[in-house]
Amino acid sequence: DIQMTQSPSSLSASVGDRVTITCRASQSISTYLNWYQQKPGKAPKLLIYVTSYLQSGVPSRFSGSGSGTDFTLTISGLQPEDFATYYCHQSFTTPQTFGQGTRVEIK
Amino acid sequence: QMQLVESGGGVVQPGRSLRLSCAVSGFSFSSHAMHWVRQAPGKGLEWVSVISYDEIHKHYADSVKGRFTVSRDNSNNTLYLQLNPVRVEDTAIYYCARATSSGWSLGLDVWGQGTTVTVS
Repeated sequence: DIQMTQSPSSLSASVGDRVTITCRASQSISTYLNWYQQKPGKAPKLLIYVTSYLQSGVPSRFSGSGSGTDFTLTISGLQPEDFATYYCHQSFTTPQTFGQGTRVEIK
Repeated sequence: QMQLVESGGGVVQPGRSLRLSCAVSGFSFSSHAMHWVRQAPGKGLEWVSVISYDEIHKHYADSVKGRFTVSRDNSNNTLYLQLNPVRVEDTAIYYCARATSSGWSLGLDVWGQGTTVTVS
C-alpha cells in the first residue's frame, strides 16, 4: 500500500499568514493527489484534486502543486474560516490512502 | 441539490453484522463511482472501499478485505456497505462519498454527513 505522510502534523498561524502543508507518498503517484479540509463535527470538503485543480466554489487563496512523490498545499492569506484539519489523499491506485492530517490552529 | 444520506449505524457486538446505507439524490447516481471512508474517534480519515458505477469493480482496504462488502442499487440510488463480522477497531463514523467521475482516480467531491458505528 502507498503510505502518505503529511508535515507538519499541526501548526499555529495568524490570519493573513501564508501556510504551506506538505504531503509525501511512499512511491510515485503521478499527480493523483487530492486535498480536503475538515472542520470539527463536519464531513470533509474537497479543496483541490489532481494536485492543482481547484474544486468549484473553493477560494483562490488555496493552491496545490507537486508531482511524483512530493506535494504541497498552500493557503495564501489565511482566513478565520480556514482553521481546520487538512488531509491529502492519493487516488493513483487502490487501496487509496489518506495522510494523517495537519491541524491548522490559531496563533 | 446533491445529497448523500447515510443510515444504519448503531451499537453492535463484536462478531455480528451491520449494513450501512447511503441514499443519494440530486445527481445521476449510476454515472459515478462511490466510496466509503471512515474516521475512528479522534483519528484521521481512512479509505475503506470503492465501487464502480456499474458495480463491476470493487476494491477494499486491507483492514476490511474479506469482512466488508460494498454494493449498490442504481435503480434505487442507494449505496451499501455490509460489515460482517465487525471488530472493535471498526468503531468509527462512516461516510459515503461520490467520486468526481465514473472512474475513481479523481477526488471525492460530495460527502454525506456520516453514520456512527460503535462495536462494543
